[in-house]
Amino acid sequence: GEEVAQTPKHLVRGEGQKAKLYCAPIKGHSYVFWYQQVLKNEFKFLISFQNENVFDETGMPKERFSAKCLPNSPCSLEIQATKLEDSAVYFCASSQSTVISGNTIYFGEGSWLTVV
Amino acid sequence: DQQVKQNSPSLSVQEGRISILNCDYTNSMFDYFLWYKKYPAEGPTFLISISSIKDKNEDGRFTVFLNKSAKHLSLHIVPSQPGDSAVYFCAASAKEGYGGSQGNLIFGKGTKLSVKP
Repeated sequence: GEEVAQTPKHLVRGEGQKAKLYCAPIKGHSYVFWYQQVLKNEFKFLISFQNENVFDETGMPKERFSAKCLPNSPCSLEIQATKLEDSAVYFCASSQSTVISGNTIYFGEGSWLTVV
Repeated sequence: DQQVKQNSPSLSVQEGRISILNCDYTNSMFDYFLWYKKYPAEGPTFLISISSIKDKNEDGRFTVFLNKSAKHLSLHIVPSQPGDSAVYFCAASAKEGYGGSQGNLIFGKGTKLSVKP
């Protein structure tokens, strides 16, 4: 597709439930990034993929968070046993190559997760 | 500690005048900088970028200036239009091989620009 597509747009989960978010990158883009934005603050980098391989996971919480990018499937970000503090907008982004090569990262519209 | 700082949470400008949004960074390994514009309930939209080998990049009404010695960049919008009202985020990326951050953007907290008719 011509844009980064994220689903669902909104998700409400009770504390302790699982949340799973999906992202389809722009066609031809081999890099996918996940960012978390809490309360309109700055974006926190979570994880990036180069195709189906984890490229950088330095921002991923050690527990409860996992992500995958499998061939011919949307990428996913999963949160096991959600907590109130996980409430945030989760943005997926994609790019053709690394930013330092002069490429731009394009963002989806975000998935709003509310944990109640 | 914040590596990318946008010290003005908000800015109000009259239509037709210049808007200047500022961004400071602390990490000398950053070598590529981007500005994103964000409307409520939407994702950030890429606006303009600059590599550290340049000190200026221009695209239509938007110009980004980079002062490496001061670790400062600014986005100029001339003339400002009401449709420019949005939150503007400054973002930076580190050099290849630095701390696994290749391709990872570090964002500031944003500046909300209001352009009044």
